[in-house]
Parts: sequence; C-alpha cells; structure tokens
Amino acid sequence: DAGVIQSPRHEVTEMGQEVTLRCKPISGHNSLFWYRQTMMRGLELLIYFNNNVPIDDSGMPEDRFSAKMPNASFSTLKIQPSEPRDSAVYFCASSPYRGSSINEQYFGPGTRLTVT
Amino acid sequence: QQQVKQSPQSLIVQKGGISIINCAYENTAFDYFPWYQQFPGKGPALLIAIRPDVSEKKEGRFTISFNKSAKQFSLHIMDSQPGDSATYFCAASKYTGNQFYFGTGTSLTVIP
Repeated sequence: DAGVIQSPRHEVTEMGQEVTLRCKPISGHNSLFWYRQTMMRGLELLIYFNNNVPIDDSGMPEDRFSAKMPNASFSTLKIQPSEPRDSAVYFCASSPYRGSSINEQYFGPGTRLTVT
Repeated sequence: QQQVKQSPQSLIVQKGGISIINCAYENTAFDYFPWYQQFPGKGPALLIAIRPDVSEKKEGRFTISFNKSAKQFSLHIMDSQPGDSATYFCAASKYTGNQFYFGTGTSLTVIP
C-alpha cells in the first residue's frame, strides 16, 4: 500500500500566483480531508469529502481557496491568488468511512507551501 | 472556537523521564479520543486511542488516561526516549462520525 500521496512536496511561489496541491487517497478509502498546519494554529481542517462529495467546507479560510474531488482517487486544493499568509504545510488524509464505527485517518507526507 | 485544548505547547524531558501531555474538550458527544504522533517532515500517524468506557489504555510505554467527568484526557510516555521526540496531537470525535477535532499540538524533545 503506497499510502496517501501528495504532490508537490514543496512549492515556492510568488504572491498572486495560483497554486494547486494534489492528493491521491488510499485505494478503497471513501473519505478525504484537507488540513493546514501552522505553528500558530496547529492542524486545521479545511474541507472534507465523503464519496467525492464535499461535506463540510467551513474551514476554508476564504474564497481564494477551493477544493475538488472529481473521482475517488484524486483531489485538488487550489489557492488563487496566493498570499504570504497562506504559507503552511498542507496535509491530505483519507479514511475508510463506514458510518457505523470510527475510522482512522491516514495522513500524507504534506506539501510545504511558501508564498513570497 | 477550539473544540479541543491541548497543553503544553512544548515539552523538554530527560531520557528515561515521564512525558505528560494534557487535553480537554467541551462537547460531551465526543466518544473517541485518538493521539497522533508526527515526526519532522512527515504526516501525523495514529499512536493510540481510547473510548470513554475505560479510564485508561496502555500500549507499551504509551498510556492514555481519561477523566470523563472532567472532560479531560492525557498522554503519558513512560521511560521517554530521544526517538520519541516528535509533535503530538490529541483529537476528539464521535465514534460514528467522520470529523476529527485536533488540539494545537505539543512539541516533545527528549534529551539524552
């Protein structure tokens, strides 16, 4: 099992540019989560999907952020336009949600985003 | 509003000592409390978890203590080792839910 795959691992961009982060969940997992980690705020949930459908996007900081999950094996998180305060590590996690019992979340290695 | 409050923010322990990290929650509907361990450059990974039907769960050197009436739980690392140096996150969820509420993390450094 390859685990959750994220790309790129590092991204450096200039303010105002569009940034796209990618995630491939573990095969068979039907829930996908996007988190942002900063020193100040720790691990924040941005959005999560069940069966490719966005369930809760209340953590998305503003309209500059958008996420899609076109199929069960791929998701993107886009920031347009990017700002220096978006600099953080972005994690994708997946889980085999069944509704009847808890499901461990498996995290990817993260994408370190730096906006200059 | 932070659903789960975690302390301390950072912790330095001598090798062989006991590391203690504390968390508190407000929502009484939470009934699943995992701890995640994160090494530098890696994503968090599940370390140990507890449900409120027990007051303690032990796995090797790691123990979760749970106080339902106080709505608090803590992670104890016995005989701490330099290899335990990592960031630890507590979390809370409903057992049949899908959303974890994470604490802000504790950076643990175990010095030889």
